[in-house]
Amino acid sequence: NAGVMQNPRHLVRRRGQEARLRCSPMKGHSHVYWYRQLPEEGLKFMVYLQKENIIDESGMPKERFSAEFPKEGPSILRIQQVVRGDSAAYFCASSPGTGLVAFFGQGTRLTVV
Amino acid sequence: DQQVKQNSPSLSVQEGRISILNCDYTNSMFDYFLWYKKYPAEGPTFLISISSIKDKNEDGRFTVFLNKSAKHLSLHIVPSQPGDSAVYFCAASARNNNNDMRFGAGTRLTVKP
Repeated sequence: NAGVMQNPRHLVRRRGQEARLRCSPMKGHSHVYWYRQLPEEGLKFMVYLQKENIIDESGMPKERFSAEFPKEGPSILRIQQVVRGDSAAYFCASSPGTGLVAFFGQGTRLTVV
Repeated sequence: DQQVKQNSPSLSVQEGRISILNCDYTNSMFDYFLWYKKYPAEGPTFLISISSIKDKNEDGRFTVFLNKSAKHLSLHIVPSQPGDSAVYFCAASARNNNNDMRFGAGTRLTVKP
């Protein structure tokens, strides 16, 4: 039973490009969370999704950021027109349902040059 | 909007002694609390959790205490081992309110041999 898979592990983008981060939840998990960790800071909630639905996106910047969790395939966090301040580690977690433990992937480290 | 707070960014403890990590929360809707451990360049790993119907949960060397009236929880590690050195994140969720998890900023624990 594979864990939460995130890819790529490392992503380098030039300013103005798009970054696409993928998260495949554990088998049987229908809830996905995205978090961002800036250098020397804690985990900041971005968005919580269930299959085909965004439940809470209150932690996500209003512009340039979007997330989806389609019926088939991984959850995608998309950052358009990246800026240097977007450089961070982005972690995805999944859980099988409400009130259950969420398990994390290894993260994607985005570097904007 | 810091709903979960870990006011101590770091803690240093001698091997064999007790480590106590603290966490405070403000949202009275939170009813499920978790502790995660994170090593550098890895995703957080689940450690232990507690439901609001309990005030204590124990798993081996790890015990979590919950004081609902004070909106405070703590993680005790005894005896502490050098391998426990990591960043510890406290998390909270409201199972009846979207269930998205909010994290504290983390406490870096160093256990000295």
